[in-house]
Amino acid sequence: GDSVTQMEGPVTLSEEAFLTINCTYTATGYPSLFWYVQYPGEGLQLLLKATKADDKGSNKGFEATYRKETTSFHLEKGSVQVSDSAVYFCALIFRNSGNTPLVFGKGTRLSVIA
Amino acid sequence: EPEVTQTPSHQVTQMGQEVILRCVPISNHLYFYWYRQILGQKVEFLVSFYNNEISEKSEIFDDQFSVERPDGSNFTLKIRSTKLEDSAMYFCASRREGGDTEAFFGQGTRLTVV
Repeated sequence: GDSVTQMEGPVTLSEEAFLTINCTYTATGYPSLFWYVQYPGEGLQLLLKATKADDKGSNKGFEATYRKETTSFHLEKGSVQVSDSAVYFCALIFRNSGNTPLVFGKGTRLSVIA
Repeated sequence: EPEVTQTPSHQVTQMGQEVILRCVPISNHLYFYWYRQILGQKVEFLVSFYNNEISEKSEIFDDQFSVERPDGSNFTLKIRSTKLEDSAMYFCASRREGGDTEAFFGQGTRLTVV
């Protein structure tokens, strides 16, 4: 079945370091891809999305590019801040899927230290 | 900005008791979901709901679970007889339409079964 695989956490970085969180997917067809973020004690918020191959989603300095050839959607940020500490979830859904639910990865916890 | 709201934020219940978790989706959304997240683990799909009926449900959503949209605004999840392993964060989500639109999540209800 459809699945999302994320790199294992936790990831600990110093402020201003470069961040990459890997995400790959297995799916029949071409899904839409999302990154959600969960700050401590809060719910899930959409961070960015991409709906077709080679699309780049971006928000708050984060970027991810939909790579069909490698079935990947890696999350990157050039310079992380302490406020970026959170759990990041990669997710997919199929276009024209009606009410089919999002499929989530296991999440990657990021801790940024000053 | 419209948001999905969930109540209560935290509920403690005794094993075997019934609980009802409440959600108010975004008003013009048509698709509704419940997910759960056991502490530190992945976000798991429970059920999707559209046009006043269940669209899809996971293996987790057994006979102990039910959902209802009793009026034009609320969307509830009922667990008939809670078990210790039902302890988790429960998230409600809604989407405006199908296809590749993102889901908006509530802040979650932390259910603790003792």
